[in-house]
Amino acid sequence: EPEVTQTPSHQVTQMGQEVILRCVPISNHLYFYWYRQILGQKVEFLVSFYNNEISEKSEIFDDQFSVERPDGSNFTLKIRSTKLEDSAMYFCASRDRYQETQYFGPGTRLLVL
Amino acid sequence: GDSVTQMEGPVTLSEEAFLTINCTYTATGYPSLFWYVQYPGEGLQLLLKATKADDKGSNKGFEATYRKETTSFHLEKGSVQVSDSAVYFCALSAFSGNTGKLIFGQGTTLQVKP
Repeated sequence: EPEVTQTPSHQVTQMGQEVILRCVPISNHLYFYWYRQILGQKVEFLVSFYNNEISEKSEIFDDQFSVERPDGSNFTLKIRSTKLEDSAMYFCASRDRYQETQYFGPGTRLLVL
Repeated sequence: GDSVTQMEGPVTLSEEAFLTINCTYTATGYPSLFWYVQYPGEGLQLLLKATKADDKGSNKGFEATYRKETTSFHLEKGSVQVSDSAVYFCALSAFSGNTGKLIFGQGTTLQVKP
């Protein structure tokens, strides 16, 4: 069964450093999402991406964040200058054109020191 | 704005007990409703969904009915197993601008003891 994959599974970085989180969505899906889950809190929407552009972003998704689909298979989330409060689990999700169901990757646990 | 509220956890049950996890929502329009499950150390997996009022979603013995009149989507299972221990998230799909983003409740941790 096709699945969403994410790399790395864990990342530790220093405050102020740039990080790139990578996702490979399911191959025939057209809508892509990033969510995050701070430890012990709810899963929060960050951004949605369709047709090579951002379709919606949350208040969390400020200028420090960017997304890209560089090569038709990968979908990346970049945090330019990480802060302590960016420590969280980041989930990528994708869905196809016809169904609302989103399929999630296993997540990347980011720890900012 | 749209929101989802779940009952506080953790919920601790003995094996074979009946499970109910309450979920209510606030939304404009007619959202689709979902239950996702997160097993320890893993990502989110779709458990079941319902796309319109009075629909019942079911999977692996779990059920939830979309109740528009009470804006609820409570999760139930007649007989839980130790392997059901996980965090359960209720969510709605808000088709604002056709993005289909999911809005999640805070999650309810279920612990099933043998």
